Amino acid sequence: DIVMTQSPLSLPVTLGQPASISCRSSQSLVETDGNTYLNWFHQRPGQSPRRLIYKVSNRDSGVPDRFSGSASGNEFTLKISRVEAEDVGVYYCMQGTRWPPTFGQGTKVEIK
Amino acid sequence: EVQLVESGGGLVQPGGSLRLSCAASGFTFSTYWMSWVRQAPGKGLEWVAKIKEDGSEKYYVDSVTGRFTVSRDNGKNSLYLQMNSLRAEDTAVYYCAREVRSPKYWGQGTLVTVSS
Repeated sequence: DIVMTQSPLSLPVTLGQPASISCRSSQSLVETDGNTYLNWFHQRPGQSPRRLIYKVSNRDSGVPDRFSGSASGNEFTLKISRVEAEDVGVYYCMQGTRWPPTFGQGTKVEIK
Repeated sequence: EVQLVESGGGLVQPGGSLRLSCAASGFTFSTYWMSWVRQAPGKGLEWVAKIKEDGSEKYYVDSVTGRFTVSRDNGKNSLYLQMNSLRAEDTAVYYCAREVRSPKYWGQGTLVTVSS
């Protein structure tokens, strides 16, 4: 299975300041169709995961533009340009290129 | 509006069985792969199974192979997960999700607790 390694696992942030989460895959996530199936999800306590970013850098409709995704080789990054109170929760990266799909351990974002 | 509603969770003894259901609406169910994903209490997310649009292909994560069976009824817009020989480590919230590679839509989940 592809291992997805996130860092940091805990991220205290100040409101209005930027935040960044990294995710490294143990193998290339580039599929034969040319797509890279790397997604980012946000989950609040008691709620289902909400997809924020798909295929590395595509933001879902309704997701604020302060969220962005990027990649460099097997390293993927989710950036929040200015953290807001509603951004607290756990963020997961997920690869959908190889079966089984696998998630990172999760990064818990909280306000300082 | 896409909706996925799971049901069927509950408390079951080790070695017991349970059948989960997921009722889908708001999209053409028969044209999507569907998945089951679980999350143990306080833990991360783990894929369980996926099933092709017409039910002809099914895939499972190693930890449930031989014990769980995924199925679907496209006429009823429903997805199922038959869980047998349940173990304590199967305790989790089980989500159904539309699609596999980049699942946007998830249900609210149903809690399965395996305990004596």
